[in-house]
Amino acid sequence: GDSVTQMEGPVTLSEEAFLTINCTYTATGYPSLFWYVQYPGEGLQLLLKATKADDKGSNKGFEATYRKETTSFHLEKGSVQVSDSAVYFCALSDKKGYSTLTFGKGTMLLVSP
Amino acid sequence: GAVVSQHPSRVICKSGTSVKIECRSLDFQATTMFWYRQFPKQSLMLMATSNEGSKATYEQGVEKDKFLINHASLTLSTLTVTSAHPEDSSFYICSARKTGLNEKLFFGSGTQLSVL
Repeated sequence: GDSVTQMEGPVTLSEEAFLTINCTYTATGYPSLFWYVQYPGEGLQLLLKATKADDKGSNKGFEATYRKETTSFHLEKGSVQVSDSAVYFCALSDKKGYSTLTFGKGTMLLVSP
Repeated sequence: GAVVSQHPSRVICKSGTSVKIECRSLDFQATTMFWYRQFPKQSLMLMATSNEGSKATYEQGVEKDKFLINHASLTLSTLTVTSAHPEDSSFYICSARKTGLNEKLFFGSGTQLSVL
C-alpha cells in the first residue's frame, strides 16, 4: 500500500538557518504530493502541493520538488524564522478528492532566535 | 480563509463512558468530512469518511459500533467514542472538504482523548 516516510524530529535550528525536511514515498501510479503544517493549537493547513513529476510547490518561502526518480518531496526553506516553528506533515493522495490522503508521522521544527 | 472548528480540544473520561467530538465547518458547507486518529509519533490514520445524510464509510479495522459518526447537517459531523477504554486514548482530528474550482481540505485543531 501507499506510505510516506519523513525524517524524525525534532529539527532544531537557529533563525535564518537553511531547512530541509526529507520525505520519500511509496505509491502506485502517480500520486499528488503535499506538505501540511500544524502550528501550536491549530489545525493542519496546506502549505504546498505538487501534482506531477518535476512540479515545484512553493509558499511562504518553502519549496518542494516532486522527484519521481527518487520518489521524494523534500521540503526546503532558505532562511527559517521563529514563526516557522510547527509540525510539518508530508502526505500523498493517489486519487482525486483527498479521501485517500496518506500522511507521514510529522516532523517538529523548532527555531530559536 | 475557511475554518473548521473541532470541540473539545481535550477530554478526560472514565473507562466505560462515551465521548462526543464535534467538527464544524464555520463558513462553508461540507458534504464530506473525514475523521483521523493519531497515536504519539505515528501518522494520521484515516478512520472514516463522513457523508452528509448517509452512512459513514469506515476504513478497514475501524469498529463502526465503537466509533459512531453522524453527519446530520452540511456543517456538522460528530464522532462518538462509545464505551471508551484506555486503548482508545489518542489524538482525533477531523477535516472538511470544501468543493469548488480549487478543492481544498480544512482541518480541525484536534481532540486529545484520555481514557482513565
